[in-house]
Amino acid sequence: GENVEQHPSTLSVQEGDSAVIKCTYSDSASNYFPWYKQELGKRPQLIIDIRSNVGEKKDQRIAVTLNKTAKHFSLHITETQPEDSAVYFCASKRGGGGNKLTFGTGTQLKVEL
Amino acid sequence: GAVVSQHPSWVICKSGTSVKIECRSLDFQATTMFWYRQFPKQSLMLMATSNEGSKATYEQGVEKDKFLINHASLTLSTLTVTSAHPEDSSFYICSQKGWAGEDTQYFGPGTRLTVL
Repeated sequence: GENVEQHPSTLSVQEGDSAVIKCTYSDSASNYFPWYKQELGKRPQLIIDIRSNVGEKKDQRIAVTLNKTAKHFSLHITETQPEDSAVYFCASKRGGGGNKLTFGTGTQLKVEL
Repeated sequence: GAVVSQHPSWVICKSGTSVKIECRSLDFQATTMFWYRQFPKQSLMLMATSNEGSKATYEQGVEKDKFLINHASLTLSTLTVTSAHPEDSSFYICSQKGWAGEDTQYFGPGTRLTVL
């Protein structure tokens, strides 16, 4: 089955700096890659996603890049703010409504003042 | 997106009892819902895929007789933890696809289960 590795497990940055979280997947048939943000005790919330037919997607301070050849995808957060502090999960999935998401192990991001 | 609710948000029960958790789709007819379990400081682990009108598909290692799933309508899936034990204490979260397409999944607020 699919395996998703995520690094780093913890990341501490100063407010205003950029943060980068990287994931690697194993299933070459995966074609959908979402990123979720989860605050303590709350639900994971979708913040951005990318499909395998594009290499980069951006939404304000958040961007995701995908390298299909290397099976890598990354989350980039610029101008970090304290409210960005949370656990971030990457995931991958084959296309189709019945196919399951496989999650990475998560990254605890802490944005310090 | 999609609006997904769960009930209860938290529950404490005695060892050996059964607990039912409801997952409702408030604005979307979900033929498929997913049930996850998340232990503290760990990732989300898929337990089963809930299919409306048919049997759920369980992930390897998940006991189907212990975690009963019923998806009787397009807006409601239930997870019943039978004969709960302290090791079943966890955060249980459901998800479903939404208006953005069949790949995108939206999560319920989760149910914190504590078994004494």
